[in-house]
Amino acid sequence: SAVISQKPSRDICQRGTSLTIQCQVDSQVTMMFWYRQQPGQSLTLIATANQGSEATYESGFVIDKFPISRPNLTFSTLTVSNMSPEDSSIYLCSVAGTGFEKLFFGSGTQLSVL
Amino acid sequence: GENVEQHPSTLSVQEGDSAVIKCTYSDSASNYFPWYKQELGKGPQLIIDIRSNVGEKKDQRIAVTLNKTAKHFSLHITETQPEDSAVYFCAASLSGGGADGLTFGKGTHLIIQP
Repeated sequence: SAVISQKPSRDICQRGTSLTIQCQVDSQVTMMFWYRQQPGQSLTLIATANQGSEATYESGFVIDKFPISRPNLTFSTLTVSNMSPEDSSIYLCSVAGTGFEKLFFGSGTQLSVL
Repeated sequence: GENVEQHPSTLSVQEGDSAVIKCTYSDSASNYFPWYKQELGKGPQLIIDIRSNVGEKKDQRIAVTLNKTAKHFSLHITETQPEDSAVYFCAASLSGGGADGLTFGKGTHLIIQP
C-alpha cells in the first residue's frame, strides 16, 4: 500500500480565513480523493482529483469552497475557503491502489474553526 | 444510490471475547465490501475486504462474511485485544472499488474492556 502524508495534521483557524491541506504520496497514483469526516460521523467524498484534469466534485461540494490542485502524480492540495465553524472536520486524502479497487487513507487533518 | 446501514454504533466486549459488527446494503449490484479500522487521531486503515463472488474471508483473528441474498455482511474479530479498540467502518461499492461508488456505514465504536 502507498504511504500517504498529510500536512498539517491539525490546525485551529479563524472564521473567514482559508486553509490549504497538502497530500504527498510515496508513489505515483492516478486517482486521488478528498474526504470529509465530521465529528462522530462517517466519511463523505468531497471530490476526485486526477492529474491533468479538473477535479470532479460530489453533490453538495463546490470548487469555490474547496478548490483542489493536482500538479503531478504524487501530490495534491485541498483548500477550505472562507471557513465557518461548520467546516470543523477531519479532512482525509486517499488514493486508489493498483487496480483501483482498494482505497488507502492518509492520517488526516483535524480542522477546528472558531 | 447505495445505502449502507451499520450496527451497532457502539460495542463493548471483554478482552478475549469475540466481537461482531453487521452491515446491510441496499443495491444488489454492489460487488466489493471493505472494512476499515480508524484509531483515534489517525486515518482509516483497510483491514480486510471481500468481493461478491466469495462468501467468507479470514485473516488471522479477523473474518468477514457476506450473504448476497440477504444483502448483509459482517466483521468478526476473535480473541479481542486492547489494541482492537477503535472505530470500524464498513463500505460497499457498486463499481468494484476505489472511491467511485464507495458508500460508508456510520461506524461502530468498539471498546475492549480489560
